[in-house]
Amino acid sequence: EVQLQESGPGLVKPSQSLSLTCSVTGYSITSNYWGWIRKFPGNKMEWMGYISYSGSTSYNPSLKSRISITRDTSKNQFFLQLNSVTTEDTATYYCARGYSGDYWGQGVMVTVSS
Amino acid sequence: DVVMTQTPVSLSLAIGQPASISCKSSQSLLGTSGKTFLNWILQRPGQSPKRLIYQVSKLYSEVPDRFSGSGSETEFTLKISRVEAEDLGVYYCWQGTHFPQTFGGGTKLELK
Repeated sequence: EVQLQESGPGLVKPSQSLSLTCSVTGYSITSNYWGWIRKFPGNKMEWMGYISYSGSTSYNPSLKSRISITRDTSKNQFFLQLNSVTTEDTATYYCARGYSGDYWGQGVMVTVSS
Repeated sequence: DVVMTQTPVSLSLAIGQPASISCKSSQSLLGTSGKTFLNWILQRPGQSPKRLIYQVSKLYSEVPDRFSGSGSETEFTLKISRVEAEDLGVYYCWQGTHFPQTFGGGTKLELK
């Protein structure tokens, strides 16, 4: 069974970087696409970007140059880094597989606050 | 970006009643491949989103057949033939045809 699990700090200070890990079991990240999606307070969802089976990436232009998605194939993990965070980045962050999100992690709530 | 508009914002239904959720896109979601990448997901209270439907009408294997998806171009519908207690939560439509992928605002299904 494919399982994804996010991990990372739940509190980040403004202007610092948010770093999250998605650990995948039951499927290799060298196949398919692997993305990050966030849900803001109040239900709005935003697709942030993905890393492909080959390691290529695609990012939502709304995040400009703040976002980076990388991976460690030896650990079957992929990572999200979001720089220069503000309170508007407070959200629950999910990792998911594929273009249609056929598997999702449990999510990690991240609060940006001093 | 493609704007996805879901209606209604909330639904209050009794068990056994039918449900219908509309999702309209600001551009046609028919891709150059001839496929339409319109998905539906459900987020139950306290849980992560779960897959329901992909490419407009294709149900994932574990999804009960009381769910159905239809539509084309810019107008799509999710229907539940008879609502059950496990169906409560927030439903989202989500397009993957155009970059960047975008979501509808969500429809909250509550039980009456």
